[in-house]
Amino acid sequence: DAGVIQSPRHEVTEMGQEVTLRCKPISGHNSLFWYRQTMMRGLELLIYFNNNVPIDDSGMPEDRFSAKMPNASFSTLKIQPSEPRDSAVYFCASSLESSPDGYTFGSGTRLTVV
Amino acid sequence: AQSVAQPEDQVKVAEGNPLTVKCTYSVSGNPYLFWYVQYPNRGLQFLLKYITGDNLVKGSYGFEAEFNKSQTSFHLKKPSALVSDSALYFCAVTSGYALNFGKGTSLLVTP
Repeated sequence: DAGVIQSPRHEVTEMGQEVTLRCKPISGHNSLFWYRQTMMRGLELLIYFNNNVPIDDSGMPEDRFSAKMPNASFSTLKIQPSEPRDSAVYFCASSLESSPDGYTFGSGTRLTVV
Repeated sequence: AQSVAQPEDQVKVAEGNPLTVKCTYSVSGNPYLFWYVQYPNRGLQFLLKYITGDNLVKGSYGFEAEFNKSQTSFHLKKPSALVSDSALYFCAVTSGYALNFGKGTSLLVTP
């Protein structure tokens, strides 16, 4: 298995533009998590899916952020419109069950909004 | 509510010396505790976990951690540090489904 695959690895965009981050979890994993990492705030959980259903999106900063998981092998995190304060590394992780045992993280997407 | 504190932003040790990276936690209920490592420009990699049982947990790359319920701590240790251990280390806790991470401790092992 290639692990959790995130794309793109790097994204530079102008303020106000729409940004879409993509994640392919490990095949067979039924839980998916989106995290954001910044120097100031560390790792923050944005949203958690179980069996493709959003279970907890309380970490999504505001309405500009949205996430979807249309099937078991794909998830997106969208920011519209983007702002410079959204600049961060966004990680996707998956696990076999809703238990956190066995989280596997992707390599992350480094987003820079100018 | 659940949270993790890593009191040191950076730990610096000489190669061959023992290392300790500190972590304390706060959680209602039984804690599940984890350590992850992050190398530059990479995702987090699982090192070890405590779910139940023996308080001393052994993990990858020679690391171990000791669960101390009375002190609500889960310090990461290694008897002899390597330069290649230099990285960012995260402690995490959960009593449910999602991990709450500490802010991370940067470990620097000098030759």
